[in-house]
Amino acid sequence: GEDVEQSLFLSVREGDSSVINCTYTDSSSTYLYWYKQEPGAGLQLLTYIFSNMDMKQDQRLTVLLNKKDKHLSLRIADTQTGDSAIYFCAESSNNAGNMLTFGGGTRLMVKP
Amino acid sequence: DGGITQSPKYLFRKEGQNVTLSCEQNLNHDAMYWYRQDPGQGLRLIYYSQIVNDFQKGDIAEGYSVSREKKESFPLTVTSAQKNPTAFYLCASSGPGLNTDTQYFGPGTRLTVL
Repeated sequence: GEDVEQSLFLSVREGDSSVINCTYTDSSSTYLYWYKQEPGAGLQLLTYIFSNMDMKQDQRLTVLLNKKDKHLSLRIADTQTGDSAIYFCAESSNNAGNMLTFGGGTRLMVKP
Repeated sequence: DGGITQSPKYLFRKEGQNVTLSCEQNLNHDAMYWYRQDPGQGLRLIYYSQIVNDFQKGDIAEGYSVSREKKESFPLTVTSAQKNPTAFYLCASSGPGLNTDTQYFGPGTRLTVL
C-alpha cells in the first residue's frame, strides 16, 4: 500500500523556526494535511494543501509541497512552548478511495 | 457549536467484557471513521462508514464491531475477542464542502482493560 513517512522527533528553542518533514509515495495524492495532537487529545486540523499547489501560508504556518520529490514540510515560525505536540502528516488519494493515510507523527519539543 | 463528541473520555473494562464507545457528530457529515492509537504510534483504521446503514472494515477490524443506524452516530463496540484492547480510540468524520476528504476528529476515548 501507499506509505507516509515522518521523522520521530524534533527539538527546537523557543523563538526559533521549526521545520517538520514528511515524504509520501502515492503519486495520485489529491490533498496533503497537517494535524496537531496535544497530550491526551484528538487530532486538530492545522492546514491542508491541494496537490497542485507549491506553498500555502497561514499566519505562523508555512506548508511547502515538492510534488516531484513527494516531499511535504511544515514550517512553524517563532515557535512557542504551546507548539509542543505531535504533528501528523496525512494524504488523501483517489487510489485509496479518498481515505486518509497518516504518517507515524513527529514529536516536537520546544525548549524555553 | 458544531463538532464531534466522544464519550466517555476514560473507560475501564474487565477482561472478557464487551464495551461500547460513543461517537456523535452534528456537522451533517456523511462519512465517519474509527481509529486506534497506541502509545508513541500513529493511527490505525478500525472501521469506516461512508453512508448510513453501510460500513467497511479497516486495517484492524478483528475484535471490533460498529453500527450506523443514524447519520449522526457511529458507535464502536470492543468485544472480548479483541486480545489487546487497551488504547486511545479516535473518531472522525468528513463530509460536504469544498474538500470532502478532510477529516475532523473528536477528543478521543482512552480504554484501559483491568
